[in-house]
Amino acid sequence: QSVLTQPPSVSAAPGQKVTISCSGSSSNIGNNWVSWYQHLPGTAPKLLIYEIDKRPSGIPARFSGSKSGTSATLDITGLQTGDEAEYYCATWDSSLNGVVFGGGTKLTVL
Amino acid sequence: EVQLVESGGGLVQPGGSLRLSCAASGFIFSSYEMNWVRQAPGKGLEWISYISSSDSTTYYADSVKGRFTISRDDAKNSLFLQMNSLRAEDTAVYYCARVLFSSTATTNDHWGQGTLVTVSS
Repeated sequence: QSVLTQPPSVSAAPGQKVTISCSGSSSNIGNNWVSWYQHLPGTAPKLLIYEIDKRPSGIPARFSGSKSGTSATLDITGLQTGDEAEYYCATWDSSLNGVVFGGGTKLTVL
Repeated sequence: EVQLVESGGGLVQPGGSLRLSCAASGFIFSSYEMNWVRQAPGKGLEWISYISSSDSTTYYADSVKGRFTISRDDAKNSLFLQMNSLRAEDTAVYYCARVLFSSTATTNDHWGQGTLVTVSS
């Protein structure tokens, strides 16, 4: 079981908005930055959001991140079929002294 | 262009050893922290190990602590993962990943394509 809890799946129609949650604790999300990754089968994971709400160059503003207490959220607006992928949150866990990933959320664009 | 190319994966028997390599190019390798991350079949991403850029500080996931060793050779722009006492549950695609400069170990801005390790008799 992952230290960070994500919903196994979410879905929405093209053009709509979806929210993916990532729940942790004070030893991880509560006191550390959060990153989000997009992963398509057979490809390298892609960094979408880092340090809670920053986007690397090339990542569209449709992707945004936030944090409140011990939970983090990834919002994707204007959904496109190309957004179908697995999404992972990640942060540092001060108790485990290591990086922890969420279990992943499969996004389906209906 | 930043490139990370893993190699060294393959089929190994339980209890065996394997050494993975990650060849880096397109950036000043010695200045960057690095991670190994894996994905077992049908499972999610799992962080394995981290190494700093300056003093080679290392961290490991509990699942591999005492069995795996991360190292780097800055002169050869290479990252390594020595894997001993391999188990069936170590079967996975192994990725090396670069940590974004001046960020935290959780910010991996470039990844390799991965190398498959299969532990089976």
